[in-house]
Amino acid sequence: KQEVTQIPAALSVPEGENLVLNCSFTDSAIYNLQWFRQDPGKGLTSLLLIQSSQREQTSGRLNASLDKSSGRSTLYIAASQPGDSATYLCAVRTYYGGSQGNLIFGKGTKLSVKP
Amino acid sequence: GAGVSQSPSNKVTEKGKDVELRCDPISGHTALYWYRQSLGQGLEFLIYFQGNSAPDKSGLPSDRFSAERTGGSVSTLTIQRTQQEDSAVYLCASSLVSGLSEAFFGQGTRLTVV
Repeated sequence: KQEVTQIPAALSVPEGENLVLNCSFTDSAIYNLQWFRQDPGKGLTSLLLIQSSQREQTSGRLNASLDKSSGRSTLYIAASQPGDSATYLCAVRTYYGGSQGNLIFGKGTKLSVKP
Repeated sequence: GAGVSQSPSNKVTEKGKDVELRCDPISGHTALYWYRQSLGQGLEFLIYFQGNSAPDKSGLPSDRFSAERTGGSVSTLTIQRTQQEDSAVYLCASSLVSGLSEAFFGQGTRLTVV
């Protein structure tokens, strides 16, 4: 059974700092991995999608990497800003099994960027 | 539509009543997911519809919960005899059936059982 873990559960940094959020998964048989952002009281906003054949994806100040064989992904945020404060979730799309294509989520990392 | 639409955005109901939550996926998206998020908690998987295949109902917490998807588009999540512990935000997402595609979420329905 696929399990997704995110470390740390919470992170507080001063504005301007570069930071890394970690995501690990137990079964490397995945279609892709997706990073989301969730603001308080809101739905999830997709940030980056990495296919299983890719190593990284970039969007603005965000860079996500994927090491499928070791079951790990990182989300790198450069020059953090207070507006980056949110909960960041990663999800893997399962490749095998009776629920092929299901999205399995980690519990998220709550990021706070202090001005 | 432009995105995943959920209705209502907020619902307050009395304990013991039945409720229906609606999800309109992005047009052409044949995969549809329901999740539940209790206050301060992560996403709890409920049910997954994948095209014309039998849905994965393994996440439904009890037989009071059911969901259907009519015509491969709109989905309704029904909770019978609601309990206070059912209070949560119910989130819906959709994607193309291809495993390579991106999933998009609606804004959720906040359910409060009093």
